[in-house]
Amino acid sequence: GQNIDQPTEMTATEGAIVQINCTYQTSGFNGLFWYQQHAGEAPTFLSYNVLDGLEEKGRFSSFLSRSKGYSYLLLKELQMKDSASYLCAVIDSNYQLIWGAGTKLIIKP
Amino acid sequence: DVKVTQSSRYLVKRTGEKVFLECVQDMDHENMFWYRQDPGLGLRLIYFSYDVKMKEKGDIPEGYSVSREKKERFSLILESASTNQTSMYLCASSPGTAETDTQYFGPGTRLTVL
Repeated sequence: GQNIDQPTEMTATEGAIVQINCTYQTSGFNGLFWYQQHAGEAPTFLSYNVLDGLEEKGRFSSFLSRSKGYSYLLLKELQMKDSASYLCAVIDSNYQLIWGAGTKLIIKP
Repeated sequence: DVKVTQSSRYLVKRTGEKVFLECVQDMDHENMFWYRQDPGLGLRLIYFSYDVKMKEKGDIPEGYSVSREKKERFSLILESASTNQTSMYLCASSPGTAETDTQYFGPGTRLTVL
């Protein structure tokens, strides 16, 4: 079967750095998305990785290792507004999007 | 900016009622999707559409139907609502230029079936 694993919940301190991991087992791979979802709101696009390596976008970076079936989202200089759920999603060989359950990130002052 | 709107943010219906959830996108996107989101589960695809009047079943189509009469509008229909359909429903659209397109989401409709 197809599976995306992410931690259910993480806690971090304002100003710190946090890494949210995502491992996947899917039938094929055509890219991986990270979305941010604030409570009660729509998911919003953060990043897309299809090649191995690190993609940096301001305070947020996303890393992919296709051989390991692994990605992480790195958030630097955490702000209170970063408190949200972070969703990992993989495009499989049929170009279907497979979603993880999301990681709830709690930021403490 | 892409804008995807949904007809209601919150909806309360009774078991057996027919329920319509409307979704409209204003960016001329080809593809539209309906998901439900439940605690502890990833987004689950109910139906999607790649063109007007075209629909494809997703992973959990049972108990749902859809309609896409116009390109910008994609409706989700619960013919006879049941309590296990209480959920957050999210509509999304994507351009249709590539199979790896980013999906853009509406604000969601939280449906409660009593």
